[in-house]
Amino acid sequence: DSGVTQTPKHLITATGQRVTLRCSPRSGDLSVYWYQQSLDQGLQFLIQYYNGEERAKGNILERFSAQQFPDLHSELNLSSLELGDSALYFCASSVSGQGQSGNTIYFGEGSWLTVV
Amino acid sequence: LAKTTQPISMDSYEGQEVNITCSHNNIATNDYITWYQQFPSQGPRFIIQGYKTKVTNEVASLFIPADRKSSTLSLPRVSLSDTAVYYCLVGDLHNFNKFYFGSGTKLNVKP
Repeated sequence: DSGVTQTPKHLITATGQRVTLRCSPRSGDLSVYWYQQSLDQGLQFLIQYYNGEERAKGNILERFSAQQFPDLHSELNLSSLELGDSALYFCASSVSGQGQSGNTIYFGEGSWLTVV
Repeated sequence: LAKTTQPISMDSYEGQEVNITCSHNNIATNDYITWYQQFPSQGPRFIIQGYKTKVTNEVASLFIPADRKSSTLSLPRVSLSDTAVYYCLVGDLHNFNKFYFGSGTKLNVKP
């Protein structure tokens, strides 16, 4: 158990709909990362937040957005869903504080999204 | 941003030592090298991290030459349960660099 909690574990929705995936980072971790992994594909970095602020952006579609709340949990919002958005979405967290170079990212078990 | 190159797949037999090499020619001074293991439909699991020379923990060893342009993950005496995809990452979280996963190495351990 990495300590990173993601909900829901599985989600089935229709095209055009909107869903929200939730992530609780490990206790004490300030950074949250979101990744997408399609079937038999690698991990694609989407976005990173640090202590409530967006810090880095990867290949995140405009239909997707994320935020990190004051209690450090994060939500990934996926809207106008398409069949191709079906994937496993991972949240990860790390401490990423000052003077803590090289620290580790810990991953949750993911949220399976199926768009039908 | 340091790009990594790994073999796409490797085969091994139970009980053997497996070495997976990762190339990262553009590694930056502050970058660390981290290896993850991923089973199907599960989140990547941290294996080992290092900056230079050799690091060893209870599951693996990581060898990093002086020029740091490559690294080798060594798994001693693999078992069937070590069949997974292994990812090499290079980056520095302190500077909020984006950590990109490469395609990874699919290790297939045979009985």
